Amino acid sequence: DADVTQTPRNRITKTGKRIMLECSQTKGHDRMYWYRQDPGLGLRLIYYSFDVKDINKGEISDGYSVSRQAQAKFSLSLESAIPNQTALYFCATSDGGSGGLQETQYFGPGTRLLVL
Amino acid sequence: GIQVEQSPPDLILQEGANSTLRCNFSDSVNNLQWFHQNPWGQLINLFYIPSGTKQNGRLSATTVATERYSLLYISSSQTTDSGVYFCAASPYSGGYQKVTFGTGTKLQVIP
Repeated sequence: DADVTQTPRNRITKTGKRIMLECSQTKGHDRMYWYRQDPGLGLRLIYYSFDVKDINKGEISDGYSVSRQAQAKFSLSLESAIPNQTALYFCATSDGGSGGLQETQYFGPGTRLLVL
Repeated sequence: GIQVEQSPPDLILQEGANSTLRCNFSDSVNNLQWFHQNPWGQLINLFYIPSGTKQNGRLSATTVATERYSLLYISSSQTTDSGVYFCAASPYSGGYQKVTFGTGTKLQVIP
């Protein structure tokens, strides 16, 4: 079984719709992340969370919100989807290591989102 | 923030050939990772290597932290090595610093 799962794997929606992408992990990690990937741009951080009560904005948080429902669950919402949010979205986890060192990240399979 | 640059952007290899991918970073790092994204989009962590050398089968990586670069070596390449290789780094700091990804090297291994 996969350690980091994302649902849905693919989603087509229309401009203005609210959608939620979900991420669950069984690795027992405290830290969780949401990234988006656009062609030729690598991955960019949207939000990250170090525990249930600690949520932080990444470099491209505008238009997105998140919820950390439990240590194992981290959801990303697009309140009103727009076409330039069409991208591949990844959830990731890490254990933070010692003082932030040894922070190997483990990624989910990704969600392909198309906003029409 | 830290800048991460990868080269070459694209690479085509004949199966069995060796290759070296490079990652330059603009600041001292305490976190340097290499990832492989396969043609189906899945990201796999290859190495955590803020300094030194590591090897895993046909892959090895070396980071020279003082000169701010890391190299990923692929030997005896196979078609399954195709995909995009990303380098990701976060700068050395007393607190948490987010991981910044390079734009990747797209590798195609042809039979």
